[in-house]
Amino acid sequence: QVQVVESGGGLVKPGGSLRLSCAASGFRYTDYYMNWIRQAPGQGLQWVSYISGSGITKYYADSVKGRFTISRDNAKSSMSLQMDSLRVEDTAVYYCARGVVVGELDHWGQGILVTVSS
Amino acid sequence: QSVLTQPPSASGTPGQRVTISCSGSSSNIGSNTVNWYQQVPGTAPKFLMYSNNKRPSGVPDRFSGSKSGTSATLAITGLQSEDEAVYYCAVWDDSLHGPMFGGGTRLTVL
Repeated sequence: QVQVVESGGGLVKPGGSLRLSCAASGFRYTDYYMNWIRQAPGQGLQWVSYISGSGITKYYADSVKGRFTISRDNAKSSMSLQMDSLRVEDTAVYYCARGVVVGELDHWGQGILVTVSS
Repeated sequence: QSVLTQPPSASGTPGQRVTISCSGSSSNIGSNTVNWYQQVPGTAPKFLMYSNNKRPSGVPDRFSGSKSGTSATLAITGLQSEDEAVYYCAVWDDSLHGPMFGGGTRLTVL
């Protein structure tokens, strides 16, 4: 069955860096685009980043552009989010989600907590 | 504040029909299909509805969706206690190159 599992979260100081990973299984990985979506404590969902199946096309929300970098390793069916210059407002649960047709996120991971605090 | 407007809360008793609205504009809902996600507290969001009114495999037919102009509606009939969750509408944003989510509606089953 389709599974996506996040790892790599934790506590980091403002200005620090963290790398999230998402391991996928149960489907032909290159056929799907992948996304990171986050949810600040008590808040709604915010899309963070997109990467195409080939890994060539990448997009970012304005709030993370220039600080976050998305990548994928199709040989390992995995995706990463390198987060630099972290801010307190980046504190959230980060979800990895598989994308089907444009805009449809049909499988989500369980989420991983990132806390940015001094 | 999201550009997709949802009521912050809704409620109903078991067996009732409830609806949740999602209001946008011609540049989002008016020109793209709407998807819905269900998030039970403490869990990850679940893909609930796509292309305005299509249910992914496994979603009960008690759930239905519709879209008219710049608004969309999620309807739940035969409300059950397990339907208590936060519901998010979402539309692909062509300028964002990503999905834009509504603020979410917390559904309480009384």
